[in-house]
Amino acid sequence: GENVEQHPSTLSVQEGDSAVIKCTYSDSASNYFPWYKQELGKRPQLIIDIRSNVGEKKDQRIAVTLNKTAKHFSLHITETQPEDSAVYFCAASKGYSTLTFGKGTMLLVSP
Amino acid sequence: EAGVTQSPTHLIKTRGQQATLRCSPISGHTSVYWYQQALGLGLQFLLWYDEGEERNRGNFPPRFSGRQFPNYSSELNVNALELEDSALYLCASSLTGYNSPLHFGNGTRLTVT
Repeated sequence: GENVEQHPSTLSVQEGDSAVIKCTYSDSASNYFPWYKQELGKRPQLIIDIRSNVGEKKDQRIAVTLNKTAKHFSLHITETQPEDSAVYFCAASKGYSTLTFGKGTMLLVSP
Repeated sequence: EAGVTQSPTHLIKTRGQQATLRCSPISGHTSVYWYQQALGLGLQFLLWYDEGEERNRGNFPPRFSGRQFPNYSSELNVNALELEDSALYLCASSLTGYNSPLHFGNGTRLTVT
């Protein structure tokens, strides 16, 4: 089955810096890659997703890049703010199947 | 649009008892997923239901079971509760089971004493 590795497990940045979280996947047939943000005590929420026919997608300060050849995808957050502090999960799936999640990255943004 | 709703919010049981958790998906969503999130850990996949059928099962013992009703709501049953079953149980729904975003509920916090 699919295996998703996520790094780093924790990431501390200063407000205004950029943050990058990286994920690799094992199944070359995977074609859908969402990212979820889970604030402390709250439910995970979709923040951005990308499909395999696209190499990059942006939404304001958030961007995701996908390298199908290397089987890795990354989340980029620019101009980080304290409210960006949360646990971020990457995931992958193919067709009619369940999402496989990475183990999560705790992002801490210090003022 | 109402989101995914789960009940109860909190549930306290003793070891050996049974727990039943309930989930109502977003209107129009046919797929329901259950995840276990133990303290400090990631999202462990439990079960996936679509159109009333169990489509996939994670690496959990058979005492974790569930079902999906004709109105697409779902319940998760955990029999013979063990201390390590204490966790946040998250339900999610999606429009279809084909590469659709998951929408999570707020979860049920199960505590086994």
